[in-house]
Amino acid sequence: AAGVIQSPRHLIKEKRETATLKCYPIPRHDTVYWYQQGPGQDPQFLISFYEKMQSDKGSIPDRFSAQQFSDYHSELNMSSLELGDSALYFCASSLRADTQYFGPGTRLTVL
Amino acid sequence: AQSVAQPEDQVNVAEGNPLTVKCTYSVSGNPYLFWYVQYPNRGLQFLLKYITGDNLVKGSYGFEAEFNKSQTSFHLKKPSALVSDSALYFCAVRDPASNTGKLIFGQGTTLQVKP
Repeated sequence: AAGVIQSPRHLIKEKRETATLKCYPIPRHDTVYWYQQGPGQDPQFLISFYEKMQSDKGSIPDRFSAQQFSDYHSELNMSSLELGDSALYFCASSLRADTQYFGPGTRLTVL
Repeated sequence: AQSVAQPEDQVNVAEGNPLTVKCTYSVSGNPYLFWYVQYPNRGLQFLLKYITGDNLVKGSYGFEAEFNKSQTSFHLKKPSALVSDSALYFCAVRDPASNTGKLIFGQGTTLQVKP
């Protein structure tokens, strides 16, 4: 069965640079979620989209923005990167608000 | 506010023995509860969920969980542990009144199964 695809899997950036993370949900899933997992931490909800509209917002810095496109894929844009942004970023998808299935994550390292 | 607690940072069990990973929740109204497993450098894999119905929920890889409303618990169990079950386990809750479905996770429990 098709799973959630995230790219890139690993990303290394310098402080103050910009990063773009991509997420391709499971086919026919209409909802995408983004979570951030710091080292040794539980995943924290950032933002979600339903049918290409933002549906909820968590502890997402103003430096971050995201959107969901017409093909339902989503991108998380992160600007003015800080050392503390180093984390695993997960995307999950679901059909409406049903069970969320997670992608493998993007490991972002900010140097 | 909704919250989830996993009181044990680590659980150690011998292969072949039963295992329990504990989870308690605090939710107003009826909870939607989930268990996910995370292997090193991998994403979270869905194991099982409780929405309504039978208090004993069966999931993937032989895992099951028991919903106990009076104790506000949702402990994960398996009758016979395998070494390959060693991983990080997260309990999560979703507010059923929320139409966004966002999950709130517990802090995670590392399960170590020894041969």
